[in-house]
This record gives sequence, structure tokens and C-alpha cells, in this order.
Amino acid sequence: KQEVTQIPAALSVPEGENLVLNCSFTDSAIYNLQWFRQDPGKGLTSLLLIQSSQREQTSGRLNASLDKSSGRSTLYIAASQPGDSATYLCAVREAAGNKLTFGGGTRVLVKP
Amino acid sequence: NAGVTQTPKFRVLKTGQSMTLLCAQDMNHEYMYWYRQDPGMGLRLIHYSVGEGTTAKGEVPDGYNVSRLKKQNFLLGLESAAPSQTSVYFCASSATRVPRTEAFFGQGTRLTVV
Repeated sequence: KQEVTQIPAALSVPEGENLVLNCSFTDSAIYNLQWFRQDPGKGLTSLLLIQSSQREQTSGRLNASLDKSSGRSTLYIAASQPGDSATYLCAVREAAGNKLTFGGGTRVLVKP
Repeated sequence: NAGVTQTPKFRVLKTGQSMTLLCAQDMNHEYMYWYRQDPGMGLRLIHYSVGEGTTAKGEVPDGYNVSRLKKQNFLLGLESAAPSQTSVYFCASSATRVPRTEAFFGQGTRLTVV
């Protein structure tokens, strides 16, 4: 059974600091990994998708890396802003069966 | 461009009542998923479908049934609602072919069972 873990569960940083969010998974037989953002009381917004054959993806201030063999992905957010405050979730799609399994999320607070 | 649409957005049920949540996607996606999100529990997979006419159990399927009679719709049914099913329900869909295989989510249905 695939298990996805995100540590830490919560993170508080001053504005301007870089954010590093971690995601680990137990079964390396994945199809892709996706990072989402969720604001309180809202739905999920997709940030980045990394296919299993890729090592990283970048979009603006966001960069996500994937090390499939070690079962890890990291989301970097450069020069954090108060508007980056949200919960960040990672999800892994299994190669066989196509289940999409989520981590518990990291709640981020960026202080002005 | 509607994407993934969930109906209804809010609902209050009495214990024992039944209801159906509708998820509709207009992106011709093969895969569709139903999740529930509870405080401190993250998103847990209830049921999913890898194509029209197919369904499979996820992590927490008990008390729920699903149907995928049309490719664009995925229905989640509660036959006899219980207070433990109070939650926010999210539907998602995704394609099968690279590069656009990311999952897209609906805005959620907030269900309260009293």
C-alpha cells in the first residue's frame, strides 16, 4: 500500500525566506507526482506535475524535484510572500491501478 | 471552460437519509476520483474509476457507492447517511496520456449529517 508523508505538518517563515517542503512515498512505482495548494475552505489548485521520468519541474518561483528511487520530492518556493500562506499537498499516482494518494499536507504561514 | 463541477456545493442531511453527489467533467478524462477531507486527516480516497462502466474501492469505501455510467459523470451515493460522514467531499479527474496527466479538482461539497 502506497503511503505518502509530508513533514513538517506546519511551517512558519518570515517574508522573503525560501520555503522547502518535503514529500516522501513508500512505493517508487509511480506514474507521476503532483503538488497542490489549498487555501482555507477552498478547493485544490494544481501547482506542478512531475512525470516519473522527469527529475524536476519549474514554474515561476516554484521548483519541484523528484527522486523516484529514494521516494522523495521537494517543493521549493523562492522568496516567499504572505500570499504564499496556504496548505501544500503532494499526491502520487501509482503506475499500476492509477490510484491517486495524498500526503497529509504542510500548512505554511509566511509572516510579513 | 468548466473543468470539474460538483453538485451540490452544500447539503445538510438527517441521519438515515440518502443522497447522491454528482461530479461532472468536460475534459474527456478517463480517470475520476472521489475523496473526503476531514480536519487533520488529509484527503482520503473513497472510490475511483479508470473508465466508463468501471469502479474500484479506495481507502475508505464503506457506506458509499459509486457509478460511472457516462464517461463525463461520476456519482457518489450515500444510502443511509451517518454523522461520521460529515465531511468535505472532493471529486477529481485526470487524463491518461502525457504530458497532461495532472489531476483537476472540483470545488468541493460540504456535507453535514445531523
